[in-house]
Amino acid sequence: DTAVSQTPKYLVTQMGNDKSIKCEQNLGHDTMYWYKQDSKKFLKIMFSYNNKELIINETVPNRFSPKSPDKAHLNLHINSLELGDSAVYFCASSQKFTSDQQETQYFGPGTRLLVL
Amino acid sequence: AQKVTQAQTEISVVEKEDVTLDCVYETRDTTYYLFWYKQPPSGELVFLIRRNSFDEQNEISGRYSWNFQKSTSSFNFTITASQVVDSAVYFCALSFWGKLQFGAGTQVVVTP
Repeated sequence: DTAVSQTPKYLVTQMGNDKSIKCEQNLGHDTMYWYKQDSKKFLKIMFSYNNKELIINETVPNRFSPKSPDKAHLNLHINSLELGDSAVYFCASSQKFTSDQQETQYFGPGTRLLVL
Repeated sequence: AQKVTQAQTEISVVEKEDVTLDCVYETRDTTYYLFWYKQPPSGELVFLIRRNSFDEQNEISGRYSWNFQKSTSSFNFTITASQVVDSAVYFCALSFWGKLQFGAGTQVVVTP
């Protein structure tokens, strides 16, 4: 009964391919996020959805497109993969989005993407 | 601008020693929240604590304790009597507008 789950856990692919990572949360949360952790372990937010609506869109190449079919799911599709996309991608969720920034974000196990 | 600095890249200790991880933050907000997360070798990110800017009481949870000092913009984390299972990367983070601004992390290595 994992709270935030991601599939796949590992993804090895060739440059130029298109791939998707799926995220699901069973916490009943309204808000979901994608973060990228680079090879130096630096974590940076990419996107956030609140009730299926995009609310945060950081400076991310257009090749990255998030999609939220419902509150419990947030997928990340990456087109034309590049070597620099190799990283760990974390999905997270929080109960809601509030302007006072208090909500705790709970993270999934991460998806390790390696682009060859 | 929001910024979190974890100046210690790696700390190595022998089991049962105490270890303190420093976290210094910058924000213009008067209300803000700070977090600590643990990333063990298995790779997941585990939430440890959330602290709001109005509550300067220190917090203790088992062998973990946190010292929040608004005057010095610091939110330090101490592991008492460290164990091998504490070996991990620990991240301090500041929340603003729904985003977590993470520090670079501190790798803690506990040897038996």
